[in-house]
Amino acid sequence: QSVLTQPPSASGTPGQGVTISCSGGGSNIGINTVNWYQQLPGTAPKLIIFANNQRPSGVPDRFSGSKSGTSVSLAISGLQSEDEADYYCATWDASLNDLVFGGGTKLTVL
Amino acid sequence: QLQLQESGPGLVKPSETLSLTCTVSGGSVSRSGYNWNWIRQPPGKGLEWIGATYYHGGTDYAPSLKSRVTISIDTSNNQFSLKMNSMTAADTAVYFCARRLVTQPNHYFDYWGQGTLVTVSS
Repeated sequence: QSVLTQPPSASGTPGQGVTISCSGGGSNIGINTVNWYQQLPGTAPKLIIFANNQRPSGVPDRFSGSKSGTSVSLAISGLQSEDEADYYCATWDASLNDLVFGGGTKLTVL
Repeated sequence: QLQLQESGPGLVKPSETLSLTCTVSGGSVSRSGYNWNWIRQPPGKGLEWIGATYYHGGTDYAPSLKSRVTISIDTSNNQFSLKMNSMTAADTAVYFCARRLVTQPNHYFDYWGQGTLVTVSS
């Protein structure tokens, strides 16, 4: 059971938008910034959002992040087939003294 | 461009010790502002942070694995390593090495190795 809770799956059709949530608590998301990673099948994770809402260079602006209290969200607009991947949120938990990942959300582009 | 490459045995027997090495090219493990991490992913499951080492040899470990894990750094060979003892089938996973930026206020993994599958079986 992950400290950060994500829905196991999400889906959308090409061109649509989708939002993936990540819920935590006061010792993790509540006091630390959150990063999002995209993992395409058979590959290593890739950073797509850091510090809650910042995009690394090269990441399309279709990807955006937001934070409210102890939850964060990843929004993907204009879905493309290549967005089909697993998405993970991650942050530091000050109570556990541990770097924690969400359980991951498998995004399917129908 | 920084590159990380994991190496080590793909098969480990139960109760034995796993030893993996991550070789870094295109950059130095001695650079401050970063730490060097091991993360694993059991087949079909999510990511789990194992721990990290710093250029000065300091370490951080996941509480759940701390008693079984040692992470060390070799600055002369630009490598860092993972040792995990008392391996069981539950430790079967893809093991990734990764660099993490640790300068305030942003902490994130920016470079990853491709991962190496370790199977625990007799």
